[in-house]
Amino acid sequence: NAGVTQTPKFRILKIGQSMTLQCTQDMNHNYMYWYRQDPGMGLKLIYYSVGAGITDKGEVPNGYNVSRSTTEDFPLRLELAAPSQTSVYFCASSFIPGARGNTIYFGEGSWLTVV
Amino acid sequence: DQQVKQNSPSLSVQEGRISILNCDYTNSMFDYFLWYKKYPAEGPTFLISISSIKDKNEDGRFTVFLNKSAKHLSLHIVPSQPGDSAVYFCDKRQLTFGSGTQLTVLP
Repeated sequence: NAGVTQTPKFRILKIGQSMTLQCTQDMNHNYMYWYRQDPGMGLKLIYYSVGAGITDKGEVPNGYNVSRSTTEDFPLRLELAAPSQTSVYFCASSFIPGARGNTIYFGEGSWLTVV
Repeated sequence: DQQVKQNSPSLSVQEGRISILNCDYTNSMFDYFLWYKKYPAEGPTFLISISSIKDKNEDGRFTVFLNKSAKHLSLHIVPSQPGDSAVYFCDKRQLTFGSGTQLTVLP
């Protein structure tokens, strides 16, 4: 039972490069999320999706793009990487928030450094 | 406007005692709150949730209390164990996280 799988786990990018963080879940969850966590801070929502073909901005979407072509996959694209995007990124998935028995599952995190 | 606040960055308790972690929120009539535990270099783990139609929810050693008039929720861990040492986050609707409280349970 894989749960939520994120790749890569670690990556160093140069300023101005682009990359995609991959996220896959095998629980048939309709909701998926991307968060970032800076040192000493809580998680901040970047983008989320309530189902295939539907995405919406969170609190800190600038510099990122997402797509949700399938239920399982929710990649996060960084265009023109900047040092401010140095962070730990977490992908998560769940059924409907607030629904009885709902649990949210997180990936193990992706450590990204932009130099 | 920070909608969820955890004002205590750290908390130390003795093993076997109660740990109480606090969270304040704003701008909610009907809502859904969650608590997570996070170990270093791992993703958060969901612990327990509460809907704003309830005042209390229990799951084993974990109980969450919701005081709607004060816009305050708390997580009680009884009895505390050394393995509970982690950072605890409160969250509203899987959208807005507090900054976390580092709990240390001393043996």
